[in-house]
Amino acid sequence: SSELTQDPAVSVALGQTVRIPCQGDSLRLFYASWYQQRPGQAPVLVFYGKNNRPSGIPDRFSGSNSGSSASLTITGAQAEDEGVFYCSSRDIDSHHVFGPGTNVTVL
Amino acid sequence: VQLQESGPGLVKSSETLSLTCAVSGASVHSVTQSWNWIRQAPGKGLEWIGYIYTRGTTNYNPSLKSRVTMSVDVSKNQFSLKLHSVTAADTAVYYCAIEGDDGSYYFDHWGQGSLVTVSS
Repeated sequence: SSELTQDPAVSVALGQTVRIPCQGDSLRLFYASWYQQRPGQAPVLVFYGKNNRPSGIPDRFSGSNSGSSASLTITGAQAEDEGVFYCSSRDIDSHHVFGPGTNVTVL
Repeated sequence: VQLQESGPGLVKSSETLSLTCAVSGASVHSVTQSWNWIRQAPGKGLEWIGYIYTRGTTNYNPSLKSRVTMSVDVSKNQFSLKLHSVTAADTAVYYCAIEGDDGSYYFDHWGQGSLVTVSS
């Protein structure tokens, strides 16, 4: 099975921009999807595909894909954007794989 | 769309964990969506367990494949997970989730999660 790698943690000042990278071979074939998980809650889809944001997700969330890398960008981070962000994709065997998560702190 | 997991919160070691996900606002009849189980051990990240399509096609995480069985009950609009021969390492919050499939793959709906503790 493929693996996805993510930085363990990142911090961002309120109102500033933060980029959350994700790397893995499966991203050469499949787009990443991104999930925010706040403590004690289920994950929530925040971005997926080439350029898709689910209904109700603020437009400050955006994503990009290039080769074996994907990234989620939060432009103008807000306090409610804190949490763990997971990237995910299918792999060539149609299995799903999640990255280990990036803990985002808004200062 | 709402998903609701249900099942015992405590399972004895070596026995079978059984969970059901009741679906409302969507139909398990759908042939373009897969019905997934994902778990999260305490303090850990997300682990995909597997999926099932309505027509019965399944795909399981290789690390769990020998112990996992999934099924769909169209009449009750729900799907289920069985994990056999559990150990303490299977203690986790178990989520059911729907995978959208429109050329991209993503989990757009999740249940609230069900904590299952494996006791010795």
